[in-house]
Amino acid sequence: AQSVAQPEDQVNVAEGNPLTVKCTYSVSGNPYLFWYVQYPNRGLQFLLKYITGDNLVKGSYGFEAEFNKSQTSFHLKKPSALVSDSALYFCAVRDAISGTYKYIFGTGTRLKVLA
Amino acid sequence: KAGVTQTPRYLIKTRGQQVTLSCSPISGHRSVSWYQQTPGQGLQFLFEYFSETQRNKGNFPGRFSGRQFSNSRSEMNVSTLELGDSALYLCASSRGENTGELFFGEGSRLTVL
Repeated sequence: AQSVAQPEDQVNVAEGNPLTVKCTYSVSGNPYLFWYVQYPNRGLQFLLKYITGDNLVKGSYGFEAEFNKSQTSFHLKKPSALVSDSALYFCAVRDAISGTYKYIFGTGTRLKVLA
Repeated sequence: KAGVTQTPRYLIKTRGQQVTLSCSPISGHRSVSWYQQTPGQGLQFLFEYFSETQRNKGNFPGRFSGRQFSNSRSEMNVSTLELGDSALYLCASSRGENTGELFFGEGSRLTVL
């Protein structure tokens, strides 16, 4: 069965420091992996995705994520955090071979960037 | 290009009533998914419709139902409302392929009193 884990409920980082939001997954086939961000009282916004190819994926707002097949991880990173990055971040996975087209979302990680 | 539109944005109901929420997807998108978001349970998948057919279903009771029309617009209905149904209901559209990302609406915030 597919699953996604975001082990940290909250991550605090000082403005200007690098940030990492962790995500691990479990699928039976090859994974399609996604990151979304949610600002207060808004819907989720797509940040980036990994489908195939280069393990380092670059996305919106300076975010990037690294796909690591051996560790089944897809951590979200940014070299220099901004206060405006403070939001709720969701990792999601789809199984490439299951044919269900079903998204599985993690529980979310609240990122707080301190000025 | 217009985004995903959800109506109403806010509504208050009392226990036992029913509610219908509407979602207009991005033009050309054939898939519409619905999610329930609460502080305690996170993001819970309700169902997905693709070309008017329910393609996936989450683990919600039969009080939660949905449908999709030929123009891809979707509605979800919750009957016999319970206090625990208070949540942000999010609609997301996509082209429907496995590699595609979801485009979310702003949500409909339902409060059940």
